[in-house]
Amino acid sequence: DTAVSQTPKYLVTQMGNDKSIKCEQNLGHDTMYWYKQDSKKFLKIMFSYNNKELIINETVPNRFSPKSPDKAHLNLHINSLELGDSAVYFCASSHRHGTGDLASSGNTIYFGEGSWLTVV
Amino acid sequence: AQSVTQLDSQVPVFEEAPVELRCNYSSSVSVYLFWYVQYPNQGLQLLLKYLSGSTLVKGINGFEAEFNKSQTSFHLRKPSVHISDTAEYFCAVSVPSGGGYQKVTFGTGTKLQVIP
Repeated sequence: DTAVSQTPKYLVTQMGNDKSIKCEQNLGHDTMYWYKQDSKKFLKIMFSYNNKELIINETVPNRFSPKSPDKAHLNLHINSLELGDSAVYFCASSHRHGTGDLASSGNTIYFGEGSWLTVV
Repeated sequence: AQSVTQLDSQVPVFEEAPVELRCNYSSSVSVYLFWYVQYPNQGLQLLLKYLSGSTLVKGINGFEAEFNKSQTSFHLRKPSVHISDTAEYFCAVSVPSGGGYQKVTFGTGTKLQVIP
């Protein structure tokens, strides 16, 4: 069973299009994230949701809109795609700090396999 | 605000040789520390973590790391590497923030290249 799953894994699309990446976790975590990894492997957080509520929004263009229908899902919708949006997008989840078994989870972030987005 | 510095962007090492990947952090509060590994075309996977207690932490695949508070370091080591260890390694620091949430910052990664 995949703990954090995201689809699609590969996505090639033209500039100006709108696309979505879906993410689901079956770990029972309250907190979910979207990270962007650029071509230099730099990993930067974009958004964080806790129980469907937005808690972190790191200066991401408003063309990016996360949606969390329930605490097990966090989808990423991107409008008017630009060349610079090409990257690998990782969904992730974790327990909220102070909950769960700290000795075992310790705020460990569990990552999905990534979605490779190429804008042409 | 916290930050993480991985001093080496690439580390080539011969198979069966020891390796150390360096990580330094800065924070005004207590932190949790992590090392993640990313194999080609895959997501990040936890190698090990330091929360509290013993400063020497053992992880999967024979890796270990030592938390040094005075030097604000959390270097990753393995006594003998294998070809399969070729991957990108990320150090991360987590700072508990208000409301019970955590803010995690990743380093820029170190590419470990194991040479046969």
